[in-house]
Amino acid sequence: SAVISQKPSRDICQRGTSLTIQCQVDSQVTMMFWYRQQPGQSLTLIATANQGSEATYESGFVIDKFPISRPNLTFSTLTVSNMSPEDSSIYLCSGGTGNTGELFFGEGSRLTVL
Amino acid sequence: AQSVTQLDSQVPVFEEAPVELRCNYSSSVSVYLFWYVQYPNQGLQLLLKYLSGSTLVKGINGFEAEFNKSQTSFHLRKPSVHISDTAEYFCAVRGHNAGNNRKLIWGLGTSLAVNP
Repeated sequence: SAVISQKPSRDICQRGTSLTIQCQVDSQVTMMFWYRQQPGQSLTLIATANQGSEATYESGFVIDKFPISRPNLTFSTLTVSNMSPEDSSIYLCSGGTGNTGELFFGEGSRLTVL
Repeated sequence: AQSVTQLDSQVPVFEEAPVELRCNYSSSVSVYLFWYVQYPNQGLQLLLKYLSGSTLVKGINGFEAEFNKSQTSFHLRKPSVHISDTAEYFCAVRGHNAGNNRKLIWGLGTSLAVNP
């Protein structure tokens, strides 16, 4: 298994600002993903973080709004840019090893935009 | 492509009673199946998974699930629940093949509320 640490665990931000969330994995994972979980909702995949190259974004998410970096196998960042109250959500980092699709999750970063 | 349906959005149950959380899926390829649990204000934790072999899989905290290919179901069960089992439960599926089928597809979740 993998232990995934995220920070910050929560933050309150002002409209129009940007916040970067960091994700550290304690062991090498082949794939890393960023999810959004809005209050009372299921998980929505934002993008797959690719090591050393641009992330692969899902429909409805764009790089200008959610820039992602993954400089090595065990670290990734997600930035939520030009935030609005609609961006208030839990952002979850996850990592997977092997081909079975099993994922390990961080505790999540709870973002409130005023 | 795959899809997942969790048939109950909320399941209230009394402590020490049995519980079943239902999950159905659709897929044109063989799948891996997962149940995750999210306790209040926490991230997600893997409860159990079906990859191959025995259709009855046992997970943590006394939970088990049975893969039924003919009914395309993967229902989660526990014979006697505790207050501490109160959480959100998510069913997820992933196709065996590469490409888009490699992404986990999530159900909408079932909120289990265990009452004393």
